[in-house]
Amino acid sequence: EVVLTQSPATLSLSPGERATLSCRASQSVSSCLAWYQQKPGQAPRLLIYDASKRATGIPARFSGSGSGTDFTLTISSLEPEDFAVYYCQQCSNWRTFGPGTKVDIK
Amino acid sequence: QVQLVESGGGVVQPGRSLRLSCAASGFTFSTYGMHWVRQAPGKGLEWVAIIGHDGSYKAYADSVKGRFTVSRDNSKNTLYLQVNSLGAEDTAVYYCARDFETGKYCDYWGQGTLVTVSS
Repeated sequence: EVVLTQSPATLSLSPGERATLSCRASQSVSSCLAWYQQKPGQAPRLLIYDASKRATGIPARFSGSGSGTDFTLTISSLEPEDFAVYYCQQCSNWRTFGPGTKVDIK
Repeated sequence: QVQLVESGGGVVQPGRSLRLSCAASGFTFSTYGMHWVRQAPGKGLEWVAIIGHDGSYKAYADSVKGRFTVSRDNSKNTLYLQVNSLGAEDTAVYYCARDFETGKYCDYWGQGTLVTVSS
């Protein structure tokens, strides 16, 4: 099973700041990786797939990068609605999710 | 617009069974694979099962294999998850989600249905 590790567990930032979230895989997943956003009481929302492609309707301030075992989700300038939990998910070997990074307001 | 509405959750005793449903609308259900993903209270996400567009392909997480069965009725635009031999570890919100990129990801999710296993 591919284990995903996300860091940091919590990221405290202010609106307008840049957020950089990390996801590391226990073995190579090539580019088979997605990022989801989840707000309290809501279902997850697909942001990025194939490591760097934005899903339909996702603002350009969200970007993904990486391949193999190391991936990054960057939010260039945080908007108030971006404070949420972010999960990475791999699709190379079955499908597993990381434990999540909570982005909260500083 | 794409809508997925889960139902069938509730409080159930250990060892009992439930059938969860997911009613789909706003897209051609019969041409999409579908997923079930669950989330224990306050915890992260866990993939449970996937079914191909015509039901011929099914796959399960090891944690539920042999106890859960995914199925679909394309004439009713409905996805199902039969959950048997429930244990406390199965307590979670169960989400159905539409497949994206041939089994890799999920692009639309329902609001979830809560299953609580408790005596």
